[in-house]
Amino acid sequence: DAGVIQSPRHEVTEMGQEVTLRCKPISGHDYLFWYRQTMMRGLELLIYFNNNVPIDDSGMPEDRFSAKMPNASFSTLKIQPSEPRDSAVYFCASSHRASLDNEQFFGPGTRLTVL
Amino acid sequence: QQPVQSPQAVILREGEDAVINCSSSKALYSVHWYRQKHGEAPVFLMILLKGGEQKGHEKISASFNEKKQQSSLYLTASQLSYSGTYFCGTLVIQGAQKLVFGQGTRLTINP
Repeated sequence: DAGVIQSPRHEVTEMGQEVTLRCKPISGHDYLFWYRQTMMRGLELLIYFNNNVPIDDSGMPEDRFSAKMPNASFSTLKIQPSEPRDSAVYFCASSHRASLDNEQFFGPGTRLTVL
Repeated sequence: QQPVQSPQAVILREGEDAVINCSSSKALYSVHWYRQKHGEAPVFLMILLKGGEQKGHEKISASFNEKKQQSSLYLTASQLSYSGTYFCGTLVIQGAQKLVFGQGTRLTINP
């Protein structure tokens, strides 16, 4: 298995632009997580899905952030409009079985820089 | 609700031991440990699911003291490959469940 796939790996954009991050979880995994990592705030959970349904989005910073999972093999995290404070590494992770108490497999991350 | 890790950073020589602690002000249902090398994604080490549980992975082991609401990660006879940032995660139940990570402990192993 190729593991969790994220694209793009690096994104540089200007303030105000729309940014879309993509994730393909490991086949057969029921859970998909979006995290943001910064030096100041560490590794934060933004939102997670179970069987394509958003379960907890309390970590989404504000309305500029949105996430979708249209099917079991694809998810997007969109920021519109982007701001410099959104600069971070965004990780997608997936896990299987019917509990959060399982190993999460992280993708390589997308390093976002907003100028 | 974020667990607190200590110390924030450790510098060791190869072969020395280290202990990383993770504590919470709220009841702990489980503790997850991950390691992240610089520029890479976090990688799973182990999960402890109940109080008193101890697990080991090569020379890395962990314990879970449910009553004290804390977990400790033990690295014995550290190797250069152990360098990285170690995160503990705890399951928080507020309506929906979610995993919340501590701030991380940066471990540097020098030859």
